[in-house]
Amino acid sequence: EPEVTQTPSHQVTQMGQEVILRCVPISNHLYFYWYRQILGQKVEFLVSFYNNEISEKSEIFDDQFSVERPDGSNFTLKIRSTKLEDSAMYFCASRGGMTDGYTFGSGTRLTVV
Amino acid sequence: KNEVEQSPQNLTAQEGEFITINCSYSVGISALHWLQQHPGGGIVSLFMLSSGKKKHGRLIATINIQEKHSSLHITASHPRDSAVYICAVRSGTDKLIFGTGTRLQVFP
Repeated sequence: EPEVTQTPSHQVTQMGQEVILRCVPISNHLYFYWYRQILGQKVEFLVSFYNNEISEKSEIFDDQFSVERPDGSNFTLKIRSTKLEDSAMYFCASRGGMTDGYTFGSGTRLTVV
Repeated sequence: KNEVEQSPQNLTAQEGEFITINCSYSVGISALHWLQQHPGGGIVSLFMLSSGKKKHGRLIATINIQEKHSSLHITASHPRDSAVYICAVRSGTDKLIFGTGTRLQVFP
C-alpha cells in the first residue's frame, strides 16, 4: 500500500536554529498538509498546499514557518528560528482528491532544547 | 468550547468486549474521519463518513448528521486494538479539526 514517508523520525535542535522536516507524499496525490501534535494535546492543523501554493494556514503558521514542494516529490516544512514551544510531533498528510481520505506519515518528533 | 468532543477520554476493556467510542461536533461538516494513533505516534485513517454507516472487519462507524454525532464500534475487541482513537471533522475548508482522542486499552 502506498505510504507517506517522513524524515527524520526524530530531530533534536538548539533553540534559534533552522530545521527542515521532509515528507514524500503519495506520488499521484494533489493535496498536501502539515499538522502538529504537542505532547499530550490534540492534533492541530498548520497548513494546506495545492497547485504549488498555500491554500490555507492556521494562526500557528506564522512568518517563522514556510512550506515548499521543490522538486515535485518532496514536501518540506521549514521552521526558521525554532522556539522551545515548537517541540511537537509533526505529521505530513496527503490525499488524491477533495473527496478522498487522508494518508498520514508516521511523523517527525521535533525536540527543541 | 471544543468543536469536536469525544467520550470517553479513557476506556479499558477485556478481550472480546464490544466497544463504543462517541464523537459530537458543533460545526457543519462535509466529512468526519475516524483515525487510529498507536503508541509510536503514527496516525492511520480508519473511516471517512459523510452519512450512514461503514464497516471494515471488526470496526463499524456510524454518523447522524442531524444530531451531529458519530460512533465508532469495535466488535470482539483484542489487545492489538489498544490505541488512541481520534475523531476529526472537515468543516467548510480543507483542514481537519481534531478531537482530543479516546485512549483504549484492551486486556487479555
